[in-house]
Amino acid sequence: DAGVIQSPRHEVTEMGQEVTLRCKPISGHDYLFWYRQTMMRGLELLIYFNNNVPIDDSGMPEDRFSAKMPNASFSTLKIQPSEPRDSAVYFCASSSGVVNNEQFFGPGTRLTVL
Amino acid sequence: GENVEQHPSTLSVQEGDSAVIKCTYSDSASNYFPWYKQELGKRPQLIIDIRSNVGEKKDQRIAVTLNKTAKHFSLHITETQPEDSAVYFCAATINNNDMRFGAGTRLTVKP
Repeated sequence: DAGVIQSPRHEVTEMGQEVTLRCKPISGHDYLFWYRQTMMRGLELLIYFNNNVPIDDSGMPEDRFSAKMPNASFSTLKIQPSEPRDSAVYFCASSSGVVNNEQFFGPGTRLTVL
Repeated sequence: GENVEQHPSTLSVQEGDSAVIKCTYSDSASNYFPWYKQELGKRPQLIIDIRSNVGEKKDQRIAVTLNKTAKHFSLHITETQPEDSAVYFCAATINNNDMRFGAGTRLTVKP
């Protein structure tokens, strides 16, 4: 298995633009997590899915952020409109079974909003 | 709300010395405590984890201890090497439904 796949690896956009980040979890994993990492706030859980259903989105900063998981092998995190303070590395991770298991992280997407 | 506190935020040791990183948590129902290592520019990766039915777990130079009464757990790295230099994150399950990460500890091992 190739592990968790994220695209793009780097994204530079201008304030106000829509940004879509993509994630393909490890095949067979039924949990998918989206994290944001910054120097100031560390690693923050934004939202996670179980069997494609959003379970906890309390970490989503505001209505500009949305996430979907249309099927077991694909998820998106969308920011619309983007702002400079959204600049961060966004990680997707997946795990199997329950929340209390090892999470496998993707390589991350480094987002820069100018 | 429930959270995980991690200390210290930075730690510098001489090669060969030991390093200890400590975390505390607030949810008494937490039962899973993983540790992740993140090298510069790379993704976090699990290095060791412990569940609440065990007080200590060891894997070569790495060990984790858990004190459920005091609600704290620690990562111990012995005989540190320069390749141990990284950011280390502790985490704990919160409300049996969520995983909360500590703020991270930047460990530097000086040759």
